[in-house]
Amino acid sequence: QEKVQQSPESLIVPEGAMSSLNCTFSNSASQSIWWYQQHPGKGPEALISIFSNGNKKEGRLTVYLNRASLHVSLHIRDSQPSDSAVYLCAVMGGMLSGSFNKLTFGAGTRLAVCP
Amino acid sequence: EAAVTQSPRNKVAVTGGKVTLSCNQTNNHNNMYWYRQDTGHGLRLIHYSYGAGSTEKGDIPDGYKASRPSQENFSLILELATPSQTSVYFCASGDHRGGNYAEQFFGPGTRLTVL
Repeated sequence: QEKVQQSPESLIVPEGAMSSLNCTFSNSASQSIWWYQQHPGKGPEALISIFSNGNKKEGRLTVYLNRASLHVSLHIRDSQPSDSAVYLCAVMGGMLSGSFNKLTFGAGTRLAVCP
Repeated sequence: EAAVTQSPRNKVAVTGGKVTLSCNQTNNHNNMYWYRQDTGHGLRLIHYSYGAGSTEKGDIPDGYKASRPSQENFSLILELATPSQTSVYFCASGDHRGGNYAEQFFGPGTRLTVL
């Protein structure tokens, strides 16, 4: 079964700073990796996904994936108070993982952006 | 006009009672999912469905049943509720794009307390 771990558990950054969140997973043959954002009392919303090694940029978000080190990171440039939320890393299992075509979520990183 | 809705939003049940959580989606997605979210565990998959009439066991199915009577509706049933099932439950719908089943759209959640 796929295992997903996120760090740090919580992160406090000043407005305008870069926020960096980390995620490690257990199977290099995993399919896509997603980052979801969850505000208090709401359901998670998908932010960005990546499949291939390297980086992907969308607006203020950049994701880096290194399958060899089983690591993916999310970086939020120019962080805003409205970015304050829990960020969930989710991994789609590959064919040999026992979690094929199912998402496995990490426990999340709680981000607080202070004005 | 939310695409995934859940009812009820809050529920208090007694130990040993039957609980039914309902989910409706207007995304016309084939796949639907039930998760529970507990502190420190992230989202864990209980049951999922590939279409009307189908249900599959997720990672933590014990004590839960699921029903998918139509494309739009997916229910989670606790026949004999226990306090350990106190949690926040999320329903999601999803579809695949180019073979990637990953993107899922979540409802607002149901907070269930079993006394």
